[in-house]
Amino acid sequence: DARVTQTPRHKVTEMGQEVTMRCQPILGHNTVFWYRQTMMQGLELLAYFRNRAPLDDSGMPKDRFSAEMPDATLATLKIQPSEPRDSAVYFCASGQTGVGGEKLFFGSGTQLSVL
Amino acid sequence: DQQVKQNSPSLSVQEGRISILNCDYTNSMFDYFLWYKKYPAEGPTFLISISSIKDKNEDGRFTVFLNKSAKHLSLHIVPSQPGDSAVYFCAARARGNKLVFGAGTILRVKS
Repeated sequence: DARVTQTPRHKVTEMGQEVTMRCQPILGHNTVFWYRQTMMQGLELLAYFRNRAPLDDSGMPKDRFSAEMPDATLATLKIQPSEPRDSAVYFCASGQTGVGGEKLFFGSGTQLSVL
Repeated sequence: DQQVKQNSPSLSVQEGRISILNCDYTNSMFDYFLWYKKYPAEGPTFLISISSIKDKNEDGRFTVFLNKSAKHLSLHIVPSQPGDSAVYFCAARARGNKLVFGAGTILRVKS
């Protein structure tokens, strides 16, 4: 059963520390998205990739967030330095262009708490 | 600037009755609209979608209606079941395949 895998599921860290979240997209999918869920904003798009190339990261605070896809099986989202306002659930989603490409498949998320 | 809005934070419905979740959007360039369902501690899961060239799509108990002139879509669940209790997100596809989401509506189906 193909699924998007995210690690870690939970992360508690102190303000100022670096946080790295990882995502393994579904094999064969060529688009990868990072979303953040907050109570007020719902699901905010942070960044997305097509064929491993970054297409849009306008939703990310550039000074502290970075997103990469070192290879087709791994996407990473880093926060350095982390701040309490970064506390949220971060979701990775993958999809494929073409027929049916409107659907994205989400991982279970990383619950981040910055103290 | 919220391009996709779900104005009802929550909805409570009796089991067996109809649930109607609403969504409004501002960008006429969206080409697909989708509904996702989310349980606690899980990621959103795809429920149903509709192309912007259609006005209705049905899948079992779930029907999505699109009114382009009003820039409004709705999800109907008939009959509602307790297992439908979840957060429902409306989403729209923008250029580049990215999905823009609303803030979500919490649906509670009472038995």
